[in-house]
Amino acid sequence: NAGVTQTPKFRVLKTGQSMTLLCAQDMNHEYMYWYRQDPGMGLRLIHYSVGEGTTAKGEVPDGYNVSRLKKQNFLLGLESAAPSQTSVYFCASSSDSGSQNVDHEQFFGPGTRLTVL
Amino acid sequence: SQQGEEDPQALSIQEGENATMNCSYKTSINNLQWYRQNSGRGLVHLILIRSNEREKHSGRLRVTLDTSKKSSSLLITASRAADTASYFCATDDSGGGADGLTFGKGTHLIIQP
Repeated sequence: NAGVTQTPKFRVLKTGQSMTLLCAQDMNHEYMYWYRQDPGMGLRLIHYSVGEGTTAKGEVPDGYNVSRLKKQNFLLGLESAAPSQTSVYFCASSSDSGSQNVDHEQFFGPGTRLTVL
Repeated sequence: SQQGEEDPQALSIQEGENATMNCSYKTSINNLQWYRQNSGRGLVHLILIRSNEREKHSGRLRVTLDTSKKSSSLLITASRAADTASYFCATDDSGGGADGLTFGKGTHLIIQP
C-alpha cells in the first residue's frame, strides 16, 4: 500500500495563477483533510471531507476550493494564487469504524511545497 | 478554534537522556494525539490517548493526560539521534464527527550524539 500520496511535490506559481493539488489514498478511508503548515507553526485545517461527494470548511478556507468526486481522491484548488498562500500543504486521511466516539488517527502524505511569487 | 501549545519550543539533549515535551489546550477533547515530523517530511502518528485515560505507553514513549489542567506530556526515554524531529500535539474535539485535528506549534527536539 502506498498510503497517502500527493502530487506535485513542489510548485512555483505567479500571483493570480491557478492550480490543483491532488491527494490520493489507498486505505479506503472515509475522511480526508487538507492542512497547511507555515514556518514555526503547526498545521491548520483548510477543508475536509467526511465522505465521497461531501466537503466542509476548516479553520482557514478562504482562497481554496476542494472536491471529493471519488472516495480515494481529495483535490485542493487555488483559483487565483496569492503570496500569502506560500506554504507546505499536507493531505491526511482517517478511517471511520461506523460508530460514535472513535479515535481518528490521521495518516499524512509527504506534502506539497508551494511558492507563490 | 482551539490551539494546543507545546512547551518548550525547542529542546536539545544528549543521546541517552530522556526528553519531555508538554502540551496545553483550551477546550474539552475526545482524544489527544502526538505526531512526529522529520525535516521536510509528513507527520507520523505516534500515540493517542483518550479523554478518559490518564497514562499510556508505547515502546519508549509515555504520554500522560490531565483533563482538569487541560495538559498532556510526552516522554521519550533513552533518546537516540534518530529521535531528532519536531513533535506536535493535536486535539480531537470532534466527538466522533471527524472534523479534523487542531495542532500545536510543535517542539523541535535535537538529540546530540
